[in-house]
Amino acid sequence: EVELEESGGGLVQPGRSLRLSCATSGFSFEDYAMHWVRQAPGKGLEWVSGISWNSATIAYADSVKGRFTISRDNTKNSLYLQMNSLRADDTALYYCVKDLSITRYYFDQWGRGTLVTVSS
Amino acid sequence: EIVLTQSPATLSLSPGERATLSCRASQSVGSYLAWYQQKPGQAPRLLIYDASNRATGIPARFSGSRSGTDFTLTISSLEPEDFAVYYCQQRSSWPRITFGQGTRLEIK
Repeated sequence: EVELEESGGGLVQPGRSLRLSCATSGFSFEDYAMHWVRQAPGKGLEWVSGISWNSATIAYADSVKGRFTISRDNTKNSLYLQMNSLRADDTALYYCVKDLSITRYYFDQWGRGTLVTVSS
Repeated sequence: EIVLTQSPATLSLSPGERATLSCRASQSVGSYLAWYQQKPGQAPRLLIYDASNRATGIPARFSGSRSGTDFTLTISSLEPEDFAVYYCQQRSSWPRITFGQGTRLEIK
């Protein structure tokens, strides 16, 4: 069974940093691209960032470019999101998401999410 | 940025009825479009990818189609568990992946 478990969310002041982690199991992590998708409270879905299986291709939404950094450790089956210079509009539930394939950019497995709240 | 416009915003139907949800792209996305279902308090679930391919384990009552930049998700006969919010998503303009704003399917 595929499992994705996010951690690292919490309440943080504007301008501060937070690092999210996603521990995975039940599939060959190194064979798939991975992504972060977020959902602000009561709102729709927003793709945040994606990373290819070998970290050679990395991309970000314009809204987080230059502030967020995605990374992965295939030896630990884990995905990360370093979030700097956080703003109030970054407040959301952050989902760790598995790509349908190596790089199909469809999302077939989702974690439960970790809530990030940016507020003073 | 490719904008996906979903309609209607809310659809009220009864179990057993046929549901037709629409997603219109602001420019061509080819067939690079997916549909997701999200129930309250749960993560989204992939239903359809590449406009018409059902994801693993998705019941046959769910189907997707494309006509130009117009996409349709059809649920042939609604089951009680189908009432949820549905999102479309395009990957044509990678890395600028975008989602529609969602359609809420509610029980009439």
